[in-house]
Amino acid sequence: NAGVTQTPKFRILKIGQSMTLQCTQDMNHNYMYWYRQDPGMGLKLIYYSVGAGITDKGEVPNGYNVSRSTTEDFPLRLELAAPSQTSVYFCAIRGGDYGYTFGSGTRLTVV
Amino acid sequence: KNEVEQSPQNLTAQEGEFITINCSYSVGISALHWLQQHPGGGIVSLFMLSSGKKKHGRLIATINIQEKHSSLHITASHPRDSAVYICAITGTASKLTFGTGTRLQVTL
Repeated sequence: NAGVTQTPKFRILKIGQSMTLQCTQDMNHNYMYWYRQDPGMGLKLIYYSVGAGITDKGEVPNGYNVSRSTTEDFPLRLELAAPSQTSVYFCAIRGGDYGYTFGSGTRLTVV
Repeated sequence: KNEVEQSPQNLTAQEGEFITINCSYSVGISALHWLQQHPGGGIVSLFMLSSGKKKHGRLIATINIQEKHSSLHITASHPRDSAVYICAITGTASKLTFGTGTRLQVTL
């Protein structure tokens, strides 16, 4: 039981490149979230999903897209990377012993 | 003004000290969460509270719904407790709103 798995752990992108951050859960929970964490700031919600086929924007969705074709997977897509997207990204599910379970994070640098 | 405010922002303690981190929020909530993040590490949920008090080992979390305030206490602190402690509240669709965190350093 891996919980929430995020890949990759680290990535460097050039401006204008695209990439997909993967998030997979094996806990069979409906609610999934993508957050970004910038130094000195609280985590901010990018997108969330309340179940397969349903997604919605969070606080900072610009420059990102998501899909949720299965309960297990909730990938986050960056289409045209910009330096402002340099951040640490966390995927999370509502579930687990203490309410939420987070992935280990993806540290993204855009140069 | 942020919906979730934490204090202090930074805290240094000596091993063995009793530590308190505070969290205030300004909106109605269904639950409040305390999370821990070690340097360069992932985020771990410590507590989910909707009323009263919970205890896990040396960690104690309390919440006062009327005053919109929660505290996280660490008894007999240890260097391995050094981390960022984050308060978060649950809103609609179970979305979390986070405080900016309290950076705790426990020295020998």
